Amino acid sequence: EDQVTQSPEALRLQEGESSSLNCSYTVSGLRGLFWYRQDPGKGPEFLFTLYSAGEEKEKERLKATLTKKESFLHITAPKPEDSATYLCAVQASGSARQLTFGSGTQLTVLP
Amino acid sequence: GAVVSQHPSRVICKSGTSVKIECRSLDFQATTMFWYRQFPKKSLMLMATSNEGSKATYEQGVEKDKFLINHASLTLSTLTVTSAHPEDSSFYICSAGNVDQPQHFGDGTRLSIL
Repeated sequence: EDQVTQSPEALRLQEGESSSLNCSYTVSGLRGLFWYRQDPGKGPEFLFTLYSAGEEKEKERLKATLTKKESFLHITAPKPEDSATYLCAVQASGSARQLTFGSGTQLTVLP
Repeated sequence: GAVVSQHPSRVICKSGTSVKIECRSLDFQATTMFWYRQFPKKSLMLMATSNEGSKATYEQGVEKDKFLINHASLTLSTLTVTSAHPEDSSFYICSAGNVDQPQHFGDGTRLSIL
């Protein structure tokens, strides 16, 4: 059974204080690992897809990395508008493309 | 802009009512769409996979007679919560994406059963 564990559950940062969110996973063959951002009362917004260990992707203040067992979402010099819940999900090879989600990290960036 | 549209965004109704939620892919054709349920401060739980032109595939523990899914066209899937009860109150979210694209999500439907 595919499993995704995210830590920490919640994170409070001061504006400009860089940090990382962790996503540990077990999957029977990884097709892709996905990072989404979810704002309250909204659906998840796609951020990144990572396919193989060693891959990195960046978008503004966010950088996602992938190893064979985990992924990190690095947030550099965050701003209050980066406050959201960040969700990690895996897609197994051979699946019908459904995603298995972690429970998310609720990030609060204080001004 | 949004590539997946979900409607309505919020429904409040009495117990015993059936509620239909629509999920549309706006910029592409989707042979497969997914329906998720999310409880407060919890992650998304896959309910079912909606397949265009064929029966939906339901996850273990999800009642197919309670949650009816219809995927009649390549751009529209509907989820009908039949004879809804307070325990069905939740946030329902759909997603769609082509084979080589990430899944994009609708903005969800907040269902409240009184």
